[in-house]
Amino acid sequence: DVKVTQSSRYLVKRTGEKVFLECVQDMDHENMFWYRQDPGLGLRLIYFSYDVKMKEKGDIPEGYSVSREKKERFSLILESASTNQTSMYLCASITSGGGTDTQYFGPGTRLTVL
Amino acid sequence: LAKTTQPISMDSYEGQEVNITCSHNNIATNDYITWYQQFPSQGPRFIIQGYKTKVTNEVASLFIPADRKSSTLSLPRVSLSDTAVYYCLVGTPRDTGRRALTFGSGTRLQVQP
Repeated sequence: DVKVTQSSRYLVKRTGEKVFLECVQDMDHENMFWYRQDPGLGLRLIYFSYDVKMKEKGDIPEGYSVSREKKERFSLILESASTNQTSMYLCASITSGGGTDTQYFGPGTRLTVL
Repeated sequence: LAKTTQPISMDSYEGQEVNITCSHNNIATNDYITWYQQFPSQGPRFIIQGYKTKVTNEVASLFIPADRKSSTLSLPRVSLSDTAVYYCLVGTPRDTGRRALTFGSGTRLQVQP
């Protein structure tokens, strides 16, 4: 089974702090995604990476950046956390074949920004 | 991006078949459809995926009509453990030069004994 782990299940930070959310996968996947999940809004794609040091913006990249220094690790960075970034953050590692993606999600990090 | 619409919630009883429909009126020719299941405090889990017609696996069936403007996830004989949120996702293949993924807002399925 694909295993995707996230560094924290729950995190509380203050406005203006720099926040790092880490995601690690053990299946040698090239593609990894970061989403946020909010009630009534479903999952929204923040950033994705299709190789080491490669990244692309998703639908809502504002206020976020990412880092992919090693294949197994994809980090989401909030340079200066704000209260509207309080959310559930989900990382996914992707198997791709035949033009389609199948996503394997981590357990999520519930971030609260005070 | 293909916008998706799903019912907010559905109720069922154990042993019944449940059909959850997702509308995606502006789906593009090469877009594919994937369904995920999510339990509280967990990340979504892949259920099934397809482009057209019917796909079946050990967990569910996916029905996609010829116009592909909707898709229906069918869960045979649900049990209490199928109580979860079900998401429809329309994805754009990477070889089109642009990757796009649109999750629906999810359907909360409650299975009663």
